[in-house]
Amino acid sequence: AQTVTQSQPEMSVQEAETVTLSCTYDTSESDYYLFWYKQPPSRQMILVIRQEAYKQQNATENRFSVNFQKAAKSFSLKISDSQLGDAAMYFCAYRSTGNTPLVFGKGTRLSVIA
Amino acid sequence: GAVVSQHPSWVICKSGTSVKIECRSLDFQATTMFWYRQFPKQSLMLMATSNEGSKATYEQGVEKDKFLINHASLTLSTLTVTSAHPEDSSFYICSARGPSTEAFFGQGTRLTVV
Repeated sequence: AQTVTQSQPEMSVQEAETVTLSCTYDTSESDYYLFWYKQPPSRQMILVIRQEAYKQQNATENRFSVNFQKAAKSFSLKISDSQLGDAAMYFCAYRSTGNTPLVFGKGTRLSVIA
Repeated sequence: GAVVSQHPSWVICKSGTSVKIECRSLDFQATTMFWYRQFPKQSLMLMATSNEGSKATYEQGVEKDKFLINHASLTLSTLTVTSAHPEDSSFYICSARGPSTEAFFGQGTRLTVV
């Protein structure tokens, strides 16, 4: 079974600075999807960024980018120019191909300091 | 993005009663819906996967007779917690997937059993 590990329970960053959240995963599959979700205090799950494993190019979405290292099974999220609204719980997630559910890591709580 | 509406947002019920949670995809056909449970400050745990018109597939340790899942149409899935007990108090989140690879989440339901 696939597993997702987030080794940082909590992180903090100064407003306007950059922070990187770590995620590693374990799988024997060659094709899969990786995601970062944000869960603010409202608890609504918001998709931040998605990466297809077959793509070598790292995904980017405005201030959010990933460092996808397939051989190392690492998928970190970089948040640039951090804003107060970025404060939330961040979950790394894995999904196999086909109609399969997401497997989540335990999450990293990000605080943004003004 | 696609919209998934989950209702109610919060509910309080008496021990021994049943409560139904609805999950609707408003602007796409959800061929598969996933139900998760989230305890405070923890990650999302998959409870079951339901495909439209088929019986739900439950994860190990989840009582199918207690957590009844119905997915009778391409836009609606329901989770009924039967004979609720205080230990069933939790945050329940649905997720719907249509033709795209993304999973869209409902707003979640906070269930409190007293």
